[in-house]
Amino acid sequence: QKEVEQNSGPLSVPEGAIASLNCTYSDRGSQSFFWYRQYSGKSPELIMFIYSNGDKEDGRFTAQLNKASQYVSLLIRDSQPSDSATYLCAGFGGTSYGKLTFGQGTILTVHP
Amino acid sequence: EAQVTQNPRYLITVTGKKLTVTCSQNMNHEYMSWYRQDPGLGLRQIYYSMNVEVTDKGDVPEGYKVSRKEKRNFPLILESPSPNQTSLYFCASSYRGGAPETQYFGPGTRLLVL
Repeated sequence: QKEVEQNSGPLSVPEGAIASLNCTYSDRGSQSFFWYRQYSGKSPELIMFIYSNGDKEDGRFTAQLNKASQYVSLLIRDSQPSDSATYLCAGFGGTSYGKLTFGQGTILTVHP
Repeated sequence: EAQVTQNPRYLITVTGKKLTVTCSQNMNHEYMSWYRQDPGLGLRQIYYSMNVEVTDKGDVPEGYKVSRKEKRNFPLILESPSPNQTSLYFCASSYRGGAPETQYFGPGTRLLVL
């Protein structure tokens, strides 16, 4: 089983809708989780990180962490065409302190 | 300007010819890391370094070497490249290894091994 798995996608939503991206992880010792956005041909850029159970909001983005279910999600409200990108979930720490493990990514397309 | 630089950006080489991809950061970051990205597989960590002279294996270290002799540099060495190492490589750094929330990525190096 892959350590970090994302819903495979691709995901397509209309402009203005909520996009929901999901991620599960297998290492219960993982301490923190990150969502990165990557445009085609570019480097990943950090959108949000979350350490504690519950929700964390930043503008149109909300990250959710449920350690009991080993589940992380990212909600994008009022999706815009400029949000179209690949979204990468990553878990940090766990059995190997210092290791950052990424999921395979979910391609999101927001159509006008 | 705070940045992570990688060189070269593009490289075509042949099987078995040793190569080095350099990575340098100007932010005095302790943590540096190398990743490879392949279609459908996301980013996979090759090696990481928590500080000078401290390196550790990531998920896919086979066929790669690293060194961290100075804080700012973290070169990736392929002693005998093979076609399955054809990939897009990213170097990244963050202030400290305990929580890479401010991880900066370099622009990437696209490697083709023939």
